[in-house]
Amino acid sequence: NAGVMQNPRHLVRRRGQEARLRCSPMKGHSHVYWYRQLPEEGLKFMVYLQKENIIDESGMPKERFSAEFPKEGPSILRIQQVVRGDSAAYFCASSLDRQPQHFGDGTRLSIL
Amino acid sequence: GENVEQHPSTLSVQEGDSAVIKCTYSDSASNYFPWYKQELGKRPQLIIDIRSNVGEKKDQRIAVTLNKTAKHFSLHITETQPEDSAVYFCAAHFIQNFVFGPGTRLSVLP
Repeated sequence: NAGVMQNPRHLVRRRGQEARLRCSPMKGHSHVYWYRQLPEEGLKFMVYLQKENIIDESGMPKERFSAEFPKEGPSILRIQQVVRGDSAAYFCASSLDRQPQHFGDGTRLSIL
Repeated sequence: GENVEQHPSTLSVQEGDSAVIKCTYSDSASNYFPWYKQELGKRPQLIIDIRSNVGEKKDQRIAVTLNKTAKHFSLHITETQPEDSAVYFCAAHFIQNFVFGPGTRLSVLP
């Protein structure tokens, strides 16, 4: 059973561009969480999704950030018009029934 | 809002000694408390978890204790080894999401 797959592992964007981060949950898992981690800091919750539904987006900025988890395909975290402050590691986690969560390897986003 | 505090922020122990990391949480409705280990540049890995109907759980050299009345839980690592060196995060499940502590950097000195 493959683990949580995230791609790309590293993503470089220039200010103003769009960043798309993908997350394929573990087989059978229908709960997906996105987190952001700055260097030397903890994991900050962004959004919790189930198939085709956003359950809790209280940790996600209202502007420029969006997330989806379609019926078919991976979950996508989309950041529009990126700024330097968006540079971070973005981790996705999936679960069968909310608990426990299993994390992917993350996407390291760098903004030039 | 929901909050999880974690202490200490850094911890150095001699190989073979025990290490204890403590966390407190704010929402008494929380019912699930996982611990994650994260090595540099890698994913957080679940090492142990505990639910609110249990006071203690053990898995080989790792144990977690939970005091619901005081709203705190602790990670205990016995007979530490150099490969235990990493950052450890506690977390608490609040209704729809998880809140993580700021992490403890554990260094096991040979």
